[in-house]
Amino acid sequence: GAVVSQHPSRVICKSGTSVKIECRSLDFQATTMFWYRQFPKQSLMLMATSNEGSKATYEQGVEKDKFLINHASLTLSTLTVTSAHPEDSSFYICSAPGLAGGSTDTQYFGPGTRLTVL
Amino acid sequence: AQSVAQPEDQVNVAEGNPLTVKCTYSVSGNPYLFWYVQYPNRGLQFLLKYITGDNLVKGSYGFEAEFNKSQTSFHLKKPSALVSDSALYFCAVRDMAGTALIFGKGTTLSVSS
Repeated sequence: GAVVSQHPSRVICKSGTSVKIECRSLDFQATTMFWYRQFPKQSLMLMATSNEGSKATYEQGVEKDKFLINHASLTLSTLTVTSAHPEDSSFYICSAPGLAGGSTDTQYFGPGTRLTVL
Repeated sequence: AQSVAQPEDQVNVAEGNPLTVKCTYSVSGNPYLFWYVQYPNRGLQFLLKYITGDNLVKGSYGFEAEFNKSQTSFHLKKPSALVSDSALYFCAVRDMAGTALIFGKGTTLSVSS
């Protein structure tokens, strides 16, 4: 099946610094990728849709200047948390629609990145 | 607007017994329905999906789900639970291919030996 990777898997940073998280589709191309945020024991909340070659679209309430998304190629999207604060600590997960059988109806998820801001 | 409801925070079953994890949905068009499983500190693993066709969908690890349009439900089932099935299960929906999934809050399944 399609594989999506994320790097790093875990990051600890000081308040005020910026952190970049990479999401890669390893064996397929993805013109669209999605970024989710998950709090402990809670559901995944969609943050934004990353579009290759164009600006990302953000969900209501998500600060686009704080969560910068760049879809640099058909296999890579990055999420940069700028000037991170402790309340940004969370589990960030990306996903991409797969192309199995020519259909994009199944999404494949990365393993997630645990961000801890001290 | 699309939405998914998982009415149970936790489901407890004994190993070998059948299990059901409930899910109901709301979507304006034809639903694309999914079940994912998440193990601690890991990403989501795809279990099964309903797009069209037979209402009973079979997926990974012996799981199946039944699409019921009149009840707008998509309950996850397994005839005989394993301890290793213990995890967090998410139901998700969208109304178009290629768009983001909307997730339910998740149901923790605990299978005791």
